Amino acid sequence: KQEVTQIPAALSVPEGENLVLNCSFTDSAIYNLQWFRQDPGKGLTSLLLIQSSQREQTSGRLNASLDKSSGRSTLYIAASQPGDSATYLCAVLPQNTGFQKLVFGTGTRLLVSP
Amino acid sequence: ETGVTQTPRHLVMGMTNKKSLKCEQHLGHNAMYWYKQSAKKPLELMFVYNFKEQTENNSVPSRFSPECPNSSHLFLHLHTLQPEDSALYLCASSQAGGGDTQYFGPGTRLTVL
Repeated sequence: KQEVTQIPAALSVPEGENLVLNCSFTDSAIYNLQWFRQDPGKGLTSLLLIQSSQREQTSGRLNASLDKSSGRSTLYIAASQPGDSATYLCAVLPQNTGFQKLVFGTGTRLLVSP
Repeated sequence: ETGVTQTPRHLVMGMTNKKSLKCEQHLGHNAMYWYKQSAKKPLELMFVYNFKEQTENNSVPSRFSPECPNSSHLFLHLHTLQPEDSALYLCASSQAGGGDTQYFGPGTRLTVL
C-alpha cells in the first residue's frame, strides 16, 4: 500500500529565506506526483505536477524535483514571502489504481514571518 | 461562478439529523470526487464518479450516500453520523481518464455533535 510522508510537519522561517519541503513515498510505481497548497479553511490549489518520466517542474519561485527510484520529491521555494504561508501537500498517483486515486501526505505547515 | 463550489461551507448537525452537502463544478469536467480531511490525517478519497457513474467507493460507511445527477453536480447525503465523522469534506473535479490535475472546492467543515 502506497504511503506518503512529508517532513517537516511544520516550518517557520523569516521572509526572504530559500526553503525546501520534502516528500517521500514507499512505492515507486507512480504515474505522477503533485504539490498542492492549502490555505486555512480553504480547498487545495495545484502548484506543480511532475510526470513520472520528468525530473523537475518549475513555476515562478517554485521548483519541484522528482527522484522516482528513491521515492523522493522536494519542493524548493525561493525568496519566501509572508504570502507563501500555507500548508503544502504532496500527492502521488499510483500506476495500478485506475489513475484517479491520489494518495496524499499529511502536509507541511509553513509560516513565513515578515 | 467559476471553478468548484461547495455549499454549505459550515455545517453542525446532531447524530440523528439528515443533511446533504452539495458540490458544483463549472470547468466542463466529467469526473468528480469526494474527499475527507481529518485533523492530523492525510486526505482520504471517499468516492469517485466518472460520467455520472460511481467508479470508486473507498470502503465508506453507508451513512454517507453520494449522488451524482449529472457531470456538474455531486451531493453527499449524510444520516446518523458519528462524532468521529467531523472533518473537512472536499469535492474535486477533473477530466476523466486519469492523470489530470484535480481541482478542489473550498470544502464543507462538518461538526457532528
